[in-house]
Amino acid sequence: GAGVSQTPSNKVTEKGKYVELRCDPISGHTALYWYRQSLGQGPEFLIYFQGTGAADDSGLPNDRFFAVRPEGSVSTLKIQRTERGDSAVYLCASSILAGLGNEQFFGPGTRLTVL
Amino acid sequence: AQSVAQPEDQVNVAEGNPLTVKCTYSVSGNPYLFWYVQYPNRGLQFLLKYITGDNLVKGSYGFEAEFNKSQTSFHLKKPSALVSDSALYFCAVRDRDGGYQKVTFGIGTKLQVIP
Repeated sequence: GAGVSQTPSNKVTEKGKYVELRCDPISGHTALYWYRQSLGQGPEFLIYFQGTGAADDSGLPNDRFFAVRPEGSVSTLKIQRTERGDSAVYLCASSILAGLGNEQFFGPGTRLTVL
Repeated sequence: AQSVAQPEDQVNVAEGNPLTVKCTYSVSGNPYLFWYVQYPNRGLQFLLKYITGDNLVKGSYGFEAEFNKSQTSFHLKKPSALVSDSALYFCAVRDRDGGYQKVTFGIGTKLQVIP
């Protein structure tokens, strides 16, 4: 079956612009996560969805970052007024249930470069 | 708060020799522990996890890890390293008792298997 997919694979934008990053989780997975991975670092938690609702958004760095999952499947991470410091690889992951012991399945990531 | 430490930036091992990648963790309650591997230009892949029960867990590609509660460690091991094991390895923890979905990753350890 298909894994987690993310589009675009690469995004180059200018400082101050708005970007949207898309994640398509594994079919049937109810939990969806967004992470940010900077060079030389591990994935940093941003937000977690259970179904359509954001169950934990404590990792979003500021109010320029927002994510939605309107139908409980595809999710979009939105970044307003991008800054150079937002440059990173944005990872999406999904898991079958919200159980705490369930492993996550990761997408290939979107590499965001803010010039 | 929960945290993960991977004390070695890089581990070098000769092909055929046993390998160990170290991980220690800190959580308020009891942990769920995970190992993921990241190959170049590919997404993170799940290797193994500790949920409860037997302290020695076996995972994909011949890897295993031992949960040691007294030392708060979860070191990754393999009896005989392959060149194809060369990759970036991440340890991760989730607080089982906190009711939160947030997973905290370490900064990663680069494993280099020398032919």
